[in-house]
Amino acid sequence: GAVVSQHPSWVICKSGTSVKIECRSLDFQATTMFWYRQFPKQSLMLMATSNEGSKATYEQGVEKDKFLINHASLTLSTLTVTSAHPEDSSFYICSAIAGGLTDTQYFGPGTRLTVL
Amino acid sequence: SQQGEEDPQALSIQEGENATMNCSYKTSINNLQWYRQNSGRGLVHLILIRSNEREKHSGRLRVTLDTSKKSSSLLITASRAADTASYFCATDPSNKLTFGGGTRVLVKP
Repeated sequence: GAVVSQHPSWVICKSGTSVKIECRSLDFQATTMFWYRQFPKQSLMLMATSNEGSKATYEQGVEKDKFLINHASLTLSTLTVTSAHPEDSSFYICSAIAGGLTDTQYFGPGTRLTVL
Repeated sequence: SQQGEEDPQALSIQEGENATMNCSYKTSINNLQWYRQNSGRGLVHLILIRSNEREKHSGRLRVTLDTSKKSSSLLITASRAADTASYFCATDPSNKLTFGGGTRVLVKP
């Protein structure tokens, strides 16, 4: 149980385009989902916390107008990187929890974004 | 610096040997978690140890927690080539996971 999927697993796009990444909890309802970014050989950095039906909470330094997060249902959250630039190239990982914020987070397999 | 710092940053061992990595953190915690990440993949949850626990086992994994020193260790016994991965500790200040820099473990066959 507790499987989280992401789609796509990788994407290559041209500079200036927008890219949408989906995160789904497959066998549980996720009250909260998180979006992380990871640069090569570095740790995960939390970008934002997403609660179903409400606006996402962004971490300091993360542009909410650039990284649009929508948590439309208890099993789906989407991250849209708008007007992507090469510096946005990174590994984006989502996670989901079923209960309280102190519960175990289950991570998706990640999405590799490359912006040319 | 970031909550949750790990050392060593990299570790290379022979198959069958034990691997130990440490994690230090700064603020009080509810629990500490360890995750594994294979190259280019997502994170796999290994073990969670609560602040009132001192040691926890799961298969070949042993985790200790010393809240007085704000540190934790992860021991992998009898390592296998498949254990090659990056290992991250994560703490939960303000109920949001904060990851350490990770330890890259290479287990040579």
